[in-house]
Order: sequence, then structure tokens, then C-alpha cells
Amino acid sequence: QKEVEQDPGPLSVPEGAIVSLNCTYSNSAFQYFMWYRQYSRKGPELLMYTYSSGNKEDGRFTAQVDKSSKYISLFIRDSQPSDSATYLCAMTSPDSNYQLIWGAGTKLIIKP
Amino acid sequence: GAVVSQHPSRVICKSGTSVKIECRSLDFQATTMFWYRQFPKQSLMLMATSNEGSKATYEQGVEKDKFLINHASLTLSTLTVTSAHPEDSSFYICSARKVSYEQYFGPGTRLTVT
Repeated sequence: QKEVEQDPGPLSVPEGAIVSLNCTYSNSAFQYFMWYRQYSRKGPELLMYTYSSGNKEDGRFTAQVDKSSKYISLFIRDSQPSDSATYLCAMTSPDSNYQLIWGAGTKLIIKP
Repeated sequence: GAVVSQHPSRVICKSGTSVKIECRSLDFQATTMFWYRQFPKQSLMLMATSNEGSKATYEQGVEKDKFLINHASLTLSTLTVTSAHPEDSSFYICSARKVSYEQYFGPGTRLTVT
């Protein structure tokens, strides 16, 4: 079993829809949870990070962490074709010297 | 955010030659930088952790004599692929750590070995 599980998709939704991307994990020591967006042939871009449980909102993006269920989510409201990319979750803890543990990435396609 | 540059963005080299890739943090100092490799439709694979002024730490299975890493300053790390072979063709991405858990990535370098 991988430490971080993420459905690779692809996930295809119409423009304007609310998108929900998710990751589950097994290591309860993880404290920091990140979402990266990666366009084809580009490096990942840090979208949001969350410490411990709770919600964090930034514009159209909301990151949610439920440590009791070991489940994190990224919601995208009013999705746009430009949001089409691969979204990777990553998490870390001080115990591992903050080495990032990655999900497989979910390919998201927003249809105009 | 923070900006990390990587150069070159694309390189084609002949088998047996060496290639150097540069990674720079442009607006912050990074005591730690990371080198990743990414195959098509796969997630990032950490190759090594580069600490300024000390030897890099390589992940299991990564040949340190083949992938030479130098982190000579707080804003520059280099990865040299020595005696490159076609199987080394890949997308190489660096990242720089700004604070403990925040890593910012460069745009990547696509290496093709012919």
C-alpha cells in the first residue's frame, strides 16, 4: 500500500462545475498538506498548503484536511478551461525532515 | 510565492557525453534544494537532496557517481548527468525549500540522449 493514494483520473467536467480532488494517506505523522498544479511539460506550482486539520480558502480554491479520516481534498469553484492540469497532493512531517511524499496526481480536464 | 529558475529547459546530447543542469532560487535563499525525475504520466521521483556546503544525499537506487550534485551557494545547485545514456532521457525538475515544508519548483529540464 502506498503512503499516499490519489486517483490518477482523468477527471473530465464541464466549465463552471465544482471540482473535487482527493487524496488519502496512511501515515498519521503527516502534519503539512500541499496541493500542487502541474501543466504539461512544466514544473509543479504550489497552490495551497494546510497545517493540520481544517479548511483553507484562496479565491476559487479550498483545501480541506480531515486528519481523523486521513483524507484531504481540494475544491475548485467555477472551474475554467485554464484549470486543466494535473493536480498533485503532497504531505510531510518533521519526522521525515520535511521530505514530500507525493500522490500520483489527478489529471483534470475542464471542457468548454 | 517564490521563484525558481532552471536552465536549460531542453537539451539534447549524444550518448556518452555529460550534461549540466542549473537550478537557481531567484528571490530567496535555499539551504536545501531537491532534484526530481519524472517519467511521462507519473509522479515525481526524488533523486537527491542537496544541502548548501555539504554532500548531497541520494535516494536508494540513484547512482551518485552518475548524477553529480553541487550546491555551492544558497541560490544555486547543479545536477550533472555524466556519461549519459538513452535511458537517462527524462524530465528533471529541481525544487528549493523556502521554509521547512514549502518547496518551490523550477520549470524543469527535458533531457534527450541520442
